[in-house]
Amino acid sequence: DAGITQSPRHKVTETGTPVTLRCHQTENHRYMYWYRQDPGHGLRLIHYSYGVKDTDKGEVSDGYSVSRSKTEDFLLTLESATSSQTSVYFCAISEPGIQAQPQHFGDGTRLSIL
Amino acid sequence: SQQGEEDPQALSIQEGENATMNCSYKTSINNLQWYRQNSGRGLVHLILIRSNEREKHSGRLRVTLDTSKKSSSLLITASRAADTASYFCATDDKQGGKLIFGQGTELSVKP
Repeated sequence: DAGITQSPRHKVTETGTPVTLRCHQTENHRYMYWYRQDPGHGLRLIHYSYGVKDTDKGEVSDGYSVSRSKTEDFLLTLESATSSQTSVYFCAISEPGIQAQPQHFGDGTRLSIL
Repeated sequence: SQQGEEDPQALSIQEGENATMNCSYKTSINNLQWYRQNSGRGLVHLILIRSNEREKHSGRLRVTLDTSKKSSSLLITASRAADTASYFCATDDKQGGKLIFGQGTELSVKP
């Protein structure tokens, strides 16, 4: 398995509270991604990073922010959590190359917002 | 946005049978990838096929790509109970390497 660790693995919190999810990699890959997975929607990209301090929005970025101050860490923050953000969140990494490269995924964080 | 759409949504077969899953997408691509997800786990990359390739094999997996029909299929031969999982296709967006995932096919292989 690729060296990707997501923390926490499970979290239950209340509406309106801030939440930060962490993704840590030991592969030194340049690209990192945050997805959410919901029934009927598959995986949807929230934000991604193509280098330290370089980030961009994905398909469903509203209500989320990210930061990447080190190659190995990519943080996803919900500033004020809402029930619609209850989901399973996955981090992925990839290393760009001349040929297309696959993404490698962590095992997810199950987030419940009550 | 372009999106891979899998068909069927769910598939139940007996061990030893072949399983075929299909994926359709909307716009031109550089490559198409297939991933597998076991319950409670992250996605695992299975195989990547480039737009100039028509067929690719990896062990018991066979992937075809028809760019004229904007479709791909994943065939798992001689299925095993351990193949029980969800399978996703993903297409690149041609603009920065981001992937667009379909909603997946849930495969159940009964022993």
